[in-house]
Amino acid sequence: GAGVSQTPSNKVTEKGKYVELRCDPISGHTALYWYRQSLGQGPEFLIYFQGTGAADDSGLPNDRFFAVRPEGSVSTLKIQRTERGDSAVYLCASSLGLAALNPAADTQYFGPGTRLTVL
Amino acid sequence: AQKITQTQPGMFVQEKEAVTLDCTYDTSDPSYGLFWYKQPSSGEMIFLIYQGSYDQQNATEGRYSLNFQKARKSANLVISASQLGDSAMYFCAMREVYGNNRLAFGKGNQVVVIP
Repeated sequence: GAGVSQTPSNKVTEKGKYVELRCDPISGHTALYWYRQSLGQGPEFLIYFQGTGAADDSGLPNDRFFAVRPEGSVSTLKIQRTERGDSAVYLCASSLGLAALNPAADTQYFGPGTRLTVL
Repeated sequence: AQKITQTQPGMFVQEKEAVTLDCTYDTSDPSYGLFWYKQPSSGEMIFLIYQGSYDQQNATEGRYSLNFQKARKSANLVISASQLGDSAMYFCAMREVYGNNRLAFGKGNQVVVIP
């Protein structure tokens, strides 16, 4: 079946602009996650959705970052007043979530990422 | 505090040889899961193998196996019979069940397979 998809694959913007990054999870996955990966680092958690609600947004760096998942499927990560330090690869992942029989084994499957460059 | 530690420098391995990638972790949660992901130059994170904290046996998945030593808090990945396509970054990650649902990643191990 189809995996996690993300659009756009690349986004170049100017400092101060607003950007939206889209994630389409695996069908049937109730949990959705956003991570950010800077060069030479492992991914860092941003936010986790269970269904439509943000169950944990403690990883969002500041109030310029916001994410929604209005119908419990597609999610959009929104970044206002972008800064050069926001440049990174933004990864989306999905998992079975509460439907997982074994929470510890609830594997997250990742999309190809969106490479954001802020000039 | 860093929850996942991967400290090996970049590794070169001969094709068809085995390679071991080190991962140590830190948690006080009694129930957790450990995951390894592969990230080739294309950038996508590919799930490889999972080990649960209560699993009695080491996980295996094709050419991948996990050397899980719970008392030492280590979960080393072993890739047997390396192939050129194994050249990639490899990330160890942990999910604490009673903490939250996020994955905490290490900084990764770079592997280059040479013919």
